[in-house]
Amino acid sequence: GESVGLHLPTLSVQEGDNSIINCAYSNSASDYFIWYKQESGKGPQFIIDIRSNMDKRQGQRVTVLLNKTVKHLSLQIAATQPGDSAVYFCAENIGYDYKLSFGAGTTVTVRA
Amino acid sequence: GAVVSQHPSWVICKSGTSVKIECRSLDFQATTMFWYRQFPKQSLMLMATSNEGSKATYEQGVEKDKFLINHASLTLSTLTVTSAHPEDSSFYICSATIFSGRIYEQYFGPGTRLTVT
Repeated sequence: GESVGLHLPTLSVQEGDNSIINCAYSNSASDYFIWYKQESGKGPQFIIDIRSNMDKRQGQRVTVLLNKTVKHLSLQIAATQPGDSAVYFCAENIGYDYKLSFGAGTTVTVRA
Repeated sequence: GAVVSQHPSWVICKSGTSVKIECRSLDFQATTMFWYRQFPKQSLMLMATSNEGSKATYEQGVEKDKFLINHASLTLSTLTVTSAHPEDSSFYICSATIFSGRIYEQYFGPGTRLTVT
């Protein structure tokens, strides 16, 4: 499953398929980006990050891609599992004080 | 990994009263702590930046006299919602930063659900 455009509020994906969550950021001066996962009633959980001097970074089952030309960030989740159901936020660092600006979020629902 | 706790996890208060929320870094000293507010089905909005021993820095539109922040130590920051009103009902989340050797990482607390009746 894939969210297209800026982002869709929801993404439904079949268990075992790959998920792609997209995010557009606004500040061309941002140099650090993070993806967070938030389950209902809980705080955000770090997934993966990337600096602006990179265009790809891989973690366990996750890959983040950064396209600075179009100010676009994506999170790919391989072999999506039921436990991946959550809201996913991208965040960008907007200054040297390490403040983060969060995107609107995408709700991912995994179908069994 | 670094653990951040919040207390209470949920609170219900009457309109006009004040509520204090604590944020603690349990196994590390935090350089900076941040306070966020999240309304249902919305994103996190940064309210303020809190540094130990200094006044908090508030984001535009956040009333500093209504949302009092005290950062008493490198492991504790408190947010007091004064004269709470129903529109202050929200999910309040704190985060604490630590330098990992590569970057300053933010670790988030589990959040505090505030309901003002």
